[in-house]
Amino acid sequence: IAGITQAPTSQILAAGRRMTLRCTQDMRHNAMYWYRQDLGLGLRLIHYSNTAGTTGKGEVPDGYSVSRANTDDFPLTLASAVPSQTSVYFCASSEGLAATDTQYFGPGTRLTVL
Amino acid sequence: AQSVAQPEDQVNVAEGNPLTVKCTYSVSGNPYLFWYVQYPNRGLQFLLKYITGDNLVKGSYGFEAEFNKSQTSFHLKKPSALVSDSALYFCAGRGRDDKIIFGKGTRLHILP
Repeated sequence: IAGITQAPTSQILAAGRRMTLRCTQDMRHNAMYWYRQDLGLGLRLIHYSNTAGTTGKGEVPDGYSVSRANTDDFPLTLASAVPSQTSVYFCASSEGLAATDTQYFGPGTRLTVL
Repeated sequence: AQSVAQPEDQVNVAEGNPLTVKCTYSVSGNPYLFWYVQYPNRGLQFLLKYITGDNLVKGSYGFEAEFNKSQTSFHLKKPSALVSDSALYFCAGRGRDDKIIFGKGTRLHILP
């Protein structure tokens, strides 16, 4: 069982380019999340989805979009990357959105925008 | 405003000594609290959580955490530290609105 996979592992991107970070889970979890991790700021929620076909905005959604066409996949798109989007991005999933549900994290994507 | 605070950016402990990583919270409703660990170049891994019941929660790798409602704290502890425990530790909490909030993380260094 792989759990959550993310691709690519790392990427260097020119500012203004479009980029999609991929996330796939094989646990049949209903809820999925995208976080960014920045030094001194911890993890901040970008977008989430509580089930296929629905998405919601987190704490820092500007400049990012997501889709949830099926249960397993939850891609994150940067339409026009900016240097402030340089970060490590983590995808996570949980069985549901209940407050007691544990989140499981992917290995992360390190993105550098120049 | 809801928040989770980890007052120490870094904690240094000698191998074999007990360790404590501090966390305080301010969430509405019943607090649901979590600890995660992040090893270098890896994603976060779940350690333990407090939902209700016994204030002392036991988790993976010999870690435990004590929920203290009066002090609004959820400190992570281990009786005897290992060098392999060196990592970044995150406390997280969820309140009435079910939004998870992460602390900024505490880097734990276990000195051989």
